[in-house]
Amino acid sequence: EVQLLESGGGLVQPGGSLRLSCAASGFSFSSYAMSWVRQAPGRGLEWVSVISGNGGIRYYADSVKGRFTISRDNSENLFYLQMNSLRAEDTAVYFCARFGRSDWTSFDYWGQGTLVAVSS
Amino acid sequence: EIVLTQSPATLSLSPGERATLSCRASQSVSSYLAWYQQKPGQAPRLLIYDASTRATGIPARFSGSGSGTDFTLTISSLEPEDFAVYYCQQRTNWPLTFGGGSKVEIK
Repeated sequence: EVQLLESGGGLVQPGGSLRLSCAASGFSFSSYAMSWVRQAPGRGLEWVSVISGNGGIRYYADSVKGRFTISRDNSENLFYLQMNSLRAEDTAVYFCARFGRSDWTSFDYWGQGTLVAVSS
Repeated sequence: EIVLTQSPATLSLSPGERATLSCRASQSVSSYLAWYQQKPGQAPRLLIYDASTRATGIPARFSGSGSGTDFTLTISSLEPEDFAVYYCQQRTNWPLTFGGGSKVEIK
């Protein structure tokens, strides 16, 4: 059974940093591109970042480029989102999600999300 | 950036009725369009990919159609568990984008 479990969320002050983790199980982790998607309270879904199976390709939304870094450890079936220079507008539930196919066009599995709150 | 516009924002229907949700793209996304269902406090669930292919385990009452810039998600006969928010999503180009969502609520 495919499972994705996020951790690392919490309350942080503006300008602070946080690292989110997503633990994957039940599939060949290194074969899949993985992504972070966020959802601000009461709002819609916003894609944040993607990393290829071998970690060689990474893309970011303009809203986080230069502040967030995605990475993965295929030996541990983990991937991460390092978030620096956090702003109030980064407050959201952050989901990790798996691209279901090699063309990276849709997410077939999602974690339950971890809440990041940026506030003084 | 490709903008996805969903309509209506809210649809009020009764169980057993047919729901028709629209997603319009600001430029062609070919058939690379997915639909998700999200219930309060839960992660999204993939319903449809490639515009019209049902994901694993999705009931046949859910169907998707369209190509290019105009897409439709149809729920043929609403079950109580179908009242939720529905999002479309494209990844023809980066950045990947989602529509703003359509809420299907009980009338």
